[in-house]
Amino acid sequence: GAVVSQHPSWVICKSGTSVKIECRSLDFQATTMFWYRQFPKQSLMLMATSNEGSKATYEQGVEKDKFLINHASLTLSTLTVTSAHPEDSSFYICSARGQVTSEAFFGQGTRLTVV
Amino acid sequence: AQSVTQLGSHVSVSEGALVLLRCNYSSSVPPYLFWYVQYPNQGLQLLLKYTSAATLVKGINGFEAEFKKSETSFHLTKPSAHMSDAAEYFCAVSGLDSSASKIIFGSGTRLSIRP
Repeated sequence: GAVVSQHPSWVICKSGTSVKIECRSLDFQATTMFWYRQFPKQSLMLMATSNEGSKATYEQGVEKDKFLINHASLTLSTLTVTSAHPEDSSFYICSARGQVTSEAFFGQGTRLTVV
Repeated sequence: AQSVTQLGSHVSVSEGALVLLRCNYSSSVPPYLFWYVQYPNQGLQLLLKYTSAATLVKGINGFEAEFKKSETSFHLTKPSAHMSDAAEYFCAVSGLDSSASKIIFGSGTRLSIRP
């Protein structure tokens, strides 16, 4: 299957700082990328959907000014958690889907801890 | 709108026994259906997918699932459980109308294997 690389795999940051998470499709063009948040022992909650070159579509209840998503190219999307607080600590997972594929391929996830 | 319901947040079977993980879906459009597996602190790996072709879908690691439109179900089975199958399993649904369709996940089922 196609490979999606997510970086970093874990990050610890101080409260009030911003953190950027990258998601790259390594061997296909990702026309659509999805960002999910997963709390311990829970399912994946879709945060937003982004299409290359256009603004992301955020799910209800997700603060777009806090979770900035950029999908500037067909192989890269970034999620920036701005002014992070301890309640933002979570496991963030990206996935990427090509134009001709039915399934999405997932990155390995990023464990964010805000202290 | 689309959704999936996974019955049973935790399933425990003996090694060598049949594995059955249940998933029911709701979709206003013809669906794509997926089963993903997640190991601790990792992203998701696709086990199998249904994309409106054969209703019995075979996946990796000996898993298979059958799409039953009349029952709106897509249950995951494996004839003989192996210790390495212990993980979290997610059923997911998306629309097949475009590559930008959201992928919505069920709540997940944790599979434990008893020696």
